[in-house]
Order: sequence, then C-alpha cells, then structure tokens
Amino acid sequence: ETGVTQSPTHLIKTRGQQVTLRCSSQSGHNTVSWYQQALGQGPQFIFQYYREEENGRGNFPPRFSGLQFPNYSSELNVNALELDDSALYLCASRVDRVSYEQYFGPGTRLTVT
Amino acid sequence: TQLLEQSPQFLSIQEGENLTVYCNSSSVFSSLQWYRQEPGEGPVLLVTVVTGGEVKKLKRLTFQFGDARKDSSLHITAAQPGDTGLYLCAGLKETSGSRLTFGEGTQLTVNP
Repeated sequence: ETGVTQSPTHLIKTRGQQVTLRCSSQSGHNTVSWYQQALGQGPQFIFQYYREEENGRGNFPPRFSGLQFPNYSSELNVNALELDDSALYLCASRVDRVSYEQYFGPGTRLTVT
Repeated sequence: TQLLEQSPQFLSIQEGENLTVYCNSSSVFSSLQWYRQEPGEGPVLLVTVVTGGEVKKLKRLTFQFGDARKDSSLHITAAQPGDTGLYLCAGLKETSGSRLTFGEGTQLTVNP
C-alpha cells in the first residue's frame, strides 16, 4: 500500500449533477496531483496542488476544480457532469513538487448515467 | 496526439517466456517511470530512470532509458502469472513542471 487513500471507492451520478472526490496524501507529502483514467487508456493529468495552491493544470474545462487543505489532503470537484466524465479518478502524492516519484491511491470509479 | 506511444497494446504469453514492452516518443523527457496497475487499483511505481542510457534491474524486470531520453523499454525474463497487469510508462518533461504524461499502457496476460 502507498499510504494514499481515496473516497468513495465507487460512485454513480446522473448527468448534470455535481460530485466531490476526496484524497488523503501519504504522510510527509505536500503535493497532490489528480488524474482521470478512462477505460482502456492511460491516466490523463487534471491538475496539481502544492501547499494549497493549484500548481499546474492539464486540458480539462473549468468545471473540474480542486482544493488542498492545510493537512495536504485534497478534493476534486466536478460540476455539470457529462457521460464522458465516467472514469477512474486517481490522486497521487509526492514529497514535494520537484520530486520524481509519486504514489497513487486506489482511485474512485465514477459512473455518470 | 499521444506523446508516449506504447507497444504492443496487448500481449498474451505463456509462463516462462520472455517479453519486451516499448515506450516511444519524439519528445525528450527529463525522467521516465514505469508503473504496473491491476484492475480496480491505482498504478504502482516500479522504477524511475533519469539518465540517458540508464539500465535498471528489478529481479526479472530490466528497464532501459534511451540515450536520447526519448524512449524506454521494459524486458521481463521468464514471465510468471503474477506479472499479469497493465504496464504504463510515464514521462516528466522539464517544460511541463511536474505533470506526468502517460502512455496508453500494455495489457500483459501471462498464462500458466
């Protein structure tokens, strides 16, 4: 186990709804990244948070937003859900924003119907 | 456009066989990582390679980073059913901060 936890493990939402996913980073890690992994594909970078501020963003629309808290845990919020948002959402933590290695949580499987 | 191309996409072999998975790009990466992912779980880091030409061994797995830092390979010797999983390469570019770019993965099945 990597020490990175995510909740919930599975979630079913309806198109147009909003969802919040949560991540607790590994102890001592101050940087958290979020990825979206569609079925049969590699993870796609959504954004990264370092010390409570967004520190890099991938090609995702503004309805994907996030937060990082003082204890370095993080949330991913998605508004106005679309069918294509169905995916495994992964968070990964690293010691700091320049370290090479990051450790992934088990993911949250989101299904949008 | 996929920055990192992995091949093959699917691989099914018998226990005891050797295999190589390739990860290619036209871009230069400051480092490249290999992950293994099982169904319903997050990717697990296997190795990070940083220097062009670097070779790292992890038991029966051998990882190589190309001299120009544009490509990498993973070679597994005497594959076992426990090696079954999705193998992902991921690269870090100096110009993209700490954003990891993943390949689409190679689904390996090792049959007993």
